[in-house]
Amino acid sequence: DQQVKQNSPSLSVQEGRISILNCDYTNSMFDYFLWYKKYPAEGPTFLISISSIKDKNEDGRFTVFLNKSAKHLSLHIVPSQPGDSAVYFCAASAGNTPLVFGKGTRLSVIA
Amino acid sequence: GAGVSQTPSNKVTEKGKYVELRCDPISGHTALYWYRQSLGQGPEFLIYFQGTGAADDSGLPNDRFFAVRPEGSVSTLKIQRTERGDSAVYLCASSLNPYQLAGANNEQFFGPGTRLTVL
Repeated sequence: DQQVKQNSPSLSVQEGRISILNCDYTNSMFDYFLWYKKYPAEGPTFLISISSIKDKNEDGRFTVFLNKSAKHLSLHIVPSQPGDSAVYFCAASAGNTPLVFGKGTRLSVIA
Repeated sequence: GAGVSQTPSNKVTEKGKYVELRCDPISGHTALYWYRQSLGQGPEFLIYFQGTGAADDSGLPNDRFFAVRPEGSVSTLKIQRTERGDSAVYLCASSLNPYQLAGANNEQFFGPGTRLTVL
């Protein structure tokens, strides 16, 4: 039973437009959410996080939105750049539990 | 500064053999994590060390898997009697503080992984 779901395996966006990556979760105890970015042959790198006490966190071109009632979060990248092409993983944790990752969404930003 | 390093980058072995995968965390990071990423999946938690002790090994799939961190720095993941289903990328990560302390320097830094192929 997947506790963190990324239902879109892939997404293509034109350079300069907004990329929106979605993530749903089932465990209502999750209170901390993260996005990781992964290039081929490299480990995931931390991108941005949000605590359950907030509904939005912004860092430059990256914004994460959290909707606790819908158990849904999204990552917005604007404007999208070709270097953003990677696999993006959503992850969540509940207090003292390990991170649970989704399956990832492959983003392709087309020049 | 140096990031998390893992050796070997690739390991091919035969079914039934024993393998060891090594992780060198970032210097000063007390927390160390092992994950397994199978094809088309996200990283799956295996085990977490705080210092030398395994604080949480709930993700180890069975007793063929074992990990040590004897001096609180380098860690070795050991797999006995490998099976074809063990084929995956094994990722190691480290953090300054453990994941329990949300938002307090607990960001996990990942190594590039070891790709294990069991024939």
